[in-house]
Amino acid sequence: AQSVTQLDSQVPVFEEAPVELRCNYSSSVSVYLFWYVQYPNQGLQLLLKYLSGSTLVKGINGFEAEFNKSQTSFHLRKPSVHISDTAEYFCAVSDPDQGGSEKLVFGKGTKLTVNP
Amino acid sequence: ETGVTQTPRHLVMGMTNKKSLKCEQHLGHNAMYWYKQSAKKPLELMFVYSLEERVENNSVPSRFSPECPNSSHLFLHLHTLQPEDSALYLCASSQDDKGRGPGELFFGEGSRLTVL
Repeated sequence: AQSVTQLDSQVPVFEEAPVELRCNYSSSVSVYLFWYVQYPNQGLQLLLKYLSGSTLVKGINGFEAEFNKSQTSFHLRKPSVHISDTAEYFCAVSDPDQGGSEKLVFGKGTKLTVNP
Repeated sequence: ETGVTQTPRHLVMGMTNKKSLKCEQHLGHNAMYWYKQSAKKPLELMFVYSLEERVENNSVPSRFSPECPNSSHLFLHLHTLQPEDSALYLCASSQDDKGRGPGELFFGEGSRLTVL
Protein backbone atom coordinates (compact mmCIF):
# COMPACT_ATOMS: atom_id res chain seq x y z
CA ALA A 1 0.00 0.00 0.00
CA GLN A 2 1.12 3.52 -0.72
CA SER A 3 2.27 5.84 2.05
CA VAL A 4 3.18 9.53 2.12
CA THR A 5 5.69 11.30 4.35
CA GLN A 6 5.66 15.04 4.80
CA LEU A 7 8.94 15.67 6.54
CA ASP A 8 8.09 19.01 8.14
CA SER A 9 5.00 19.46 10.29
CA GLN A 10 5.53 23.25 10.51
CA VAL A 11 7.39 25.69 8.25
CA PRO A 12 7.67 29.35 9.27
CA VAL A 13 8.92 31.81 6.65
CA PHE A 14 9.01 35.54 6.09
CA GLU A 15 6.90 37.23 3.44
CA GLU A 16 8.51 37.30 -0.05
CA ALA A 17 10.93 34.49 0.88
CA PRO A 18 11.01 31.27 -1.15
CA VAL A 19 9.57 28.11 0.36
CA GLU A 20 9.81 24.37 -0.26
CA LEU A 21 7.46 21.86 1.36
CA ARG A 22 8.77 18.34 1.18
CA CYS A 23 6.86 15.19 0.28
CA ASN A 24 8.12 11.66 -0.18
CA TYR A 25 6.06 8.63 -1.10
CA SER A 26 6.66 4.91 -0.88
CA SER A 27 8.15 3.38 -3.96
CA SER A 28 5.92 2.25 -6.80
CA VAL A 29 6.27 1.68 -10.52
CA SER A 30 3.89 4.52 -11.23
CA VAL A 31 1.96 7.02 -9.16
CA TYR A 32 -0.45 9.92 -9.31
CA LEU A 33 0.59 12.78 -7.04
CA PHE A 34 -1.33 15.73 -5.62
CA TRP A 35 -0.94 18.77 -3.39
CA TYR A 36 -3.99 20.13 -1.58
CA VAL A 37 -4.20 23.31 0.54
CA GLN A 38 -6.46 23.94 3.53
CA TYR A 39 -6.96 27.55 4.61
CA PRO A 40 -8.15 28.17 8.19
CA ASN A 41 -11.71 27.02 8.79
CA GLN A 42 -12.09 25.69 5.27
CA GLY A 43 -12.00 22.37 3.45
CA LEU A 44 -9.15 21.23 1.22
CA GLN A 45 -8.72 22.46 -2.35
CA LEU A 46 -6.49 21.14 -5.11
CA LEU A 47 -3.28 23.11 -5.75
CA LEU A 48 -1.81 20.90 -8.46
CA LYS A 49 -1.50 17.32 -9.64
CA TYR A 50 0.86 15.07 -11.53
CA LEU A 51 -0.66 12.25 -13.59
CA SER A 52 1.90 11.89 -16.42
CA GLY A 53 4.07 13.93 -18.77
CA SER A 54 6.29 16.81 -17.69
CA THR A 55 7.80 16.31 -14.25
CA LEU A 56 7.41 20.02 -13.42
CA VAL A 57 3.81 20.80 -12.61
CA LYS A 58 2.45 24.31 -12.19
CA GLY A 59 -0.54 24.97 -9.99
CA ILE A 60 -2.66 27.81 -8.71
CA ASN A 61 -1.39 30.80 -6.71
CA GLY A 62 2.14 30.56 -8.15
CA PHE A 63 2.96 27.14 -6.69
CA GLU A 64 4.79 24.42 -8.57
CA ALA A 65 6.01 20.91 -7.79
CA GLU A 66 8.56 18.60 -9.31
CA PHE A 67 8.09 14.85 -9.62
CA ASN A 68 11.38 13.05 -8.97
CA LYS A 69 10.96 9.34 -9.58
CA SER A 70 14.47 8.32 -8.48
CA GLN A 71 14.04 10.06 -5.15
CA THR A 72 10.31 9.23 -4.85
CA SER A 73 9.64 12.88 -4.05
CA PHE A 74 7.11 15.52 -5.04
CA HIS A 75 8.25 18.72 -3.30
CA LEU A 76 6.13 21.85 -3.49
CA ARG A 77 7.79 25.23 -4.13
CA LYS A 78 6.95 28.89 -4.40
CA PRO A 79 9.63 31.51 -5.18
CA SER A 80 8.01 34.29 -3.13
CA VAL A 81 5.28 33.71 -0.54
CA HIS A 82 2.56 36.06 0.65
CA ILE A 83 0.82 36.35 4.00
CA SER A 84 -2.25 34.82 2.32
CA ASP A 85 -0.34 31.58 1.69
CA THR A 86 -0.56 30.79 5.40
CA ALA A 87 -2.37 27.45 5.43
CA GLU A 88 -1.88 23.73 5.83
CA TYR A 89 -0.61 21.82 2.80
CA PHE A 90 -1.28 18.14 2.16
CA CYS A 91 0.53 15.83 -0.21
CA ALA A 92 -1.43 12.84 -1.54
CA VAL A 93 -0.63 9.83 -3.70
CA SER A 94 -2.57 7.13 -5.50
CA ASP A 95 -1.74 4.09 -7.58
CA PRO A 96 -2.85 4.42 -11.23
CA ASP A 97 -3.52 0.70 -11.42
CA GLN A 98 -6.11 1.04 -8.69
CA GLY A 99 -7.54 4.30 -9.94
CA GLY A 100 -10.37 6.20 -8.31
CA SER A 101 -10.20 9.12 -5.92
CA GLU A 102 -11.03 6.73 -3.07
CA LYS A 103 -7.51 5.34 -3.36
CA LEU A 104 -5.87 8.66 -2.44
CA VAL A 105 -3.51 8.42 0.55
CA PHE A 106 -2.80 11.70 2.33
CA GLY A 107 0.21 12.84 4.31
CA LYS A 108 -0.12 14.39 7.77
CA GLY A 109 0.18 17.91 6.41
CA THR A 110 2.63 20.81 6.72
CA LYS A 111 1.53 24.06 8.34
CA LEU A 112 3.04 26.99 6.48
CA THR A 113 3.08 30.25 8.42
CA VAL A 114 4.11 33.36 6.52
CA ASN A 115 5.23 36.18 8.81
CA PRO A 116 5.46 39.88 7.85
CA GLU B 1 -25.36 27.50 -4.26
CA THR B 2 -22.13 26.11 -5.60
CA GLY B 3 -19.60 23.48 -4.59
CA VAL B 4 -19.97 21.22 -1.59
CA THR B 5 -22.01 22.38 1.40
CA GLN B 6 -21.88 20.81 4.84
CA THR B 7 -24.22 21.36 7.78
CA PRO B 8 -23.94 21.93 10.63
CA ARG B 9 -20.53 23.60 10.74
CA HIS B 10 -20.23 22.93 14.47
CA LEU B 11 -21.86 20.24 16.59
CA VAL B 12 -21.53 19.41 20.28
CA MET B 13 -23.11 16.20 21.46
CA GLY B 14 -23.14 13.92 24.46
CA MET B 15 -22.18 10.28 24.21
CA THR B 16 -25.81 9.14 24.31
CA ASN B 17 -27.11 11.55 21.65
CA LYS B 18 -28.08 10.77 18.07
CA LYS B 19 -27.27 13.39 15.46
CA SER B 20 -26.60 13.59 11.72
CA LEU B 21 -24.18 15.46 9.49
CA LYS B 22 -25.40 16.52 6.07
CA CYS B 23 -23.50 17.10 2.83
CA GLU B 24 -24.82 18.39 -0.47
CA GLN B 25 -22.89 18.76 -3.72
CA HIS B 26 -23.99 20.98 -6.61
CA LEU B 27 -21.29 19.86 -9.05
CA GLY B 28 -23.01 16.96 -10.79
CA HIS B 29 -20.35 14.51 -9.56
CA ASN B 30 -20.79 10.75 -9.40
CA ALA B 31 -18.91 10.00 -6.16
CA MET B 32 -19.10 11.30 -2.59
CA TYR B 33 -16.85 10.73 0.42
CA TRP B 34 -16.64 11.15 4.19
CA TYR B 35 -13.20 11.88 5.67
CA LYS B 36 -12.20 12.32 9.31
CA GLN B 37 -9.54 14.92 10.10
CA SER B 38 -7.92 14.71 13.54
CA ALA B 39 -5.01 16.76 14.82
CA LYS B 40 -1.58 15.41 13.87
CA LYS B 41 -3.03 12.49 11.90
CA PRO B 42 -3.38 11.96 8.16
CA LEU B 43 -6.79 12.46 6.64
CA GLU B 44 -8.74 9.23 7.18
CA LEU B 45 -11.12 8.01 4.51
CA MET B 46 -14.28 6.68 6.14
CA PHE B 47 -16.82 5.96 3.39
CA VAL B 48 -17.12 6.28 -0.37
CA TYR B 49 -20.28 6.23 -2.44
CA SER B 50 -20.09 5.88 -6.19
CA LEU B 51 -23.36 6.19 -8.12
CA GLU B 52 -25.15 5.98 -4.76
CA GLU B 53 -23.62 2.60 -3.88
CA ARG B 54 -21.16 2.27 -1.04
CA VAL B 55 -17.86 1.13 -2.52
CA GLU B 56 -15.52 1.70 0.40
CA ASN B 57 -15.88 1.27 4.14
CA ASN B 58 -12.58 1.54 5.93
CA SER B 59 -13.32 -0.44 9.08
CA VAL B 60 -15.30 2.39 10.57
CA PRO B 61 -17.08 1.62 13.87
CA SER B 62 -20.80 0.96 13.54
CA ARG B 63 -21.60 4.05 15.61
CA PHE B 64 -21.03 5.90 12.32
CA SER B 65 -23.69 5.13 9.72
CA PRO B 66 -23.61 6.70 6.23
CA GLU B 67 -26.56 7.26 3.95
CA CYS B 68 -26.59 8.37 0.32
CA PRO B 69 -30.20 8.82 -0.86
CA ASN B 70 -29.14 10.29 -4.24
CA SER B 71 -26.01 11.43 -6.03
CA SER B 72 -26.20 14.95 -4.57
CA HIS B 73 -26.74 14.18 -0.89
CA LEU B 74 -24.71 12.33 1.72
CA PHE B 75 -25.42 11.92 5.42
CA LEU B 76 -23.40 10.64 8.35
CA HIS B 77 -25.59 9.43 11.20
CA LEU B 78 -23.93 9.48 14.60
CA HIS B 79 -24.97 7.60 17.75
CA THR B 80 -23.32 6.68 21.04
CA LEU B 81 -20.07 8.36 20.04
CA GLN B 82 -16.93 8.47 22.14
CA PRO B 83 -14.84 11.53 23.05
CA GLU B 84 -12.09 10.29 20.70
CA ASP B 85 -14.53 10.74 17.83
CA SER B 86 -14.20 14.50 18.23
CA ALA B 87 -12.73 15.75 14.94
CA LEU B 88 -13.43 17.69 11.77
CA TYR B 89 -15.56 15.61 9.40
CA LEU B 90 -15.05 16.52 5.77
CA CYS B 91 -17.33 15.65 2.89
CA ALA B 92 -15.96 15.57 -0.65
CA SER B 93 -17.18 14.78 -4.14
CA SER B 94 -15.51 13.89 -7.43
CA GLN B 95 -16.26 12.90 -10.99
CA ASP B 96 -14.36 9.69 -11.56
CA ASP B 97 -14.11 8.44 -15.13
CA LYS B 98 -12.63 4.97 -15.36
CA GLY B 99 -9.29 4.85 -17.15
CA ARG B 100 -8.70 8.61 -17.00
CA GLY B 101 -7.18 8.86 -13.58
CA PRO B 102 -8.74 9.95 -10.30
CA GLY B 103 -10.98 12.96 -10.43
CA GLU B 104 -10.18 16.02 -8.39
CA LEU B 105 -11.71 15.91 -4.92
CA PHE B 106 -13.87 18.93 -4.04
CA PHE B 107 -14.22 19.35 -0.28
CA GLY B 108 -16.81 21.03 1.88
CA GLU B 109 -15.75 23.27 4.75
CA GLY B 110 -16.28 20.50 7.28
CA SER B 111 -18.37 19.87 10.36
CA ARG B 112 -16.46 20.32 13.63
CA LEU B 113 -17.74 17.65 16.04
CA THR B 114 -17.13 17.71 19.78
CA VAL B 115 -18.24 14.71 21.84
CA LEU B 116 -18.53 15.38 25.57
